Amino acid sequence: SYELTQPPSVSVSPGQPATITCSGDKLENKYASWYQQKPGQSPVLLIYQDNRRPSGIPERFSGSNSGNTGTLTISETHDMDEADYYCQAWDSSHVVFGGGTKLTVL
Amino acid sequence: QVRLQESGPGLVKPSQTLSLTCTFSGASIGSGSFYWSWIRQPAGEGLEWIGRIYTSGSTNYNPSLKSRVTISLDTSKNQFSLRLSSVTAADTAVYYCARQVGALLYFDYWGQGTLVTVSS
Repeated sequence: SYELTQPPSVSVSPGQPATITCSGDKLENKYASWYQQKPGQSPVLLIYQDNRRPSGIPERFSGSNSGNTGTLTISETHDMDEADYYCQAWDSSHVVFGGGTKLTVL
Repeated sequence: QVRLQESGPGLVKPSQTLSLTCTFSGASIGSGSFYWSWIRQPAGEGLEWIGRIYTSGSTNYNPSLKSRVTISLDTSKNQFSLRLSSVTAADTAVYYCARQVGALLYFDYWGQGTLVTVSS
């Protein structure tokens, strides 16, 4: 079965860029999506179709997908960005989520 | 405004069947190219996709749960439902319903989630 691998945790200082990766076999051939989840809340869509932002999502969030790796980038991290982040793709009629990355803003 | 809301028992006994309903409001569940999914999240863990149903009634399920899962759609009530049989403590989780955009396969709307505990 298809798997997506994310680092369990990433730490960043306020105002600095943060990068979260998502690895999967030939991921570039699939659309990657990204979600943010804060404690006690439902996930929120951040990025879809590899690099598109829904309305209302700040421009500091961006995405890319090349080779086997999808990447979520936060250009200037805010305290409010501290959350869990999940990538998601689709393979053989099944939805797959990455294991999630906890972003800590120090 | 589009909204999804889960409902159902918060406590289920082991070996019984978990049943949840998701009510969609703000548009017709039968219109557009959307899939209607169930996703769960055990406490402190990641997201696990359970399965989905299309407006045509066709379904796809997570292979690891397929033998125990049934998802159905009731367009007259603007609802879709989840049944998970033979539950164990490992099925204790927050259960979310979500809408998946057909062609691009991302989840644009999520319910608030409902905690289901499996315990005697």
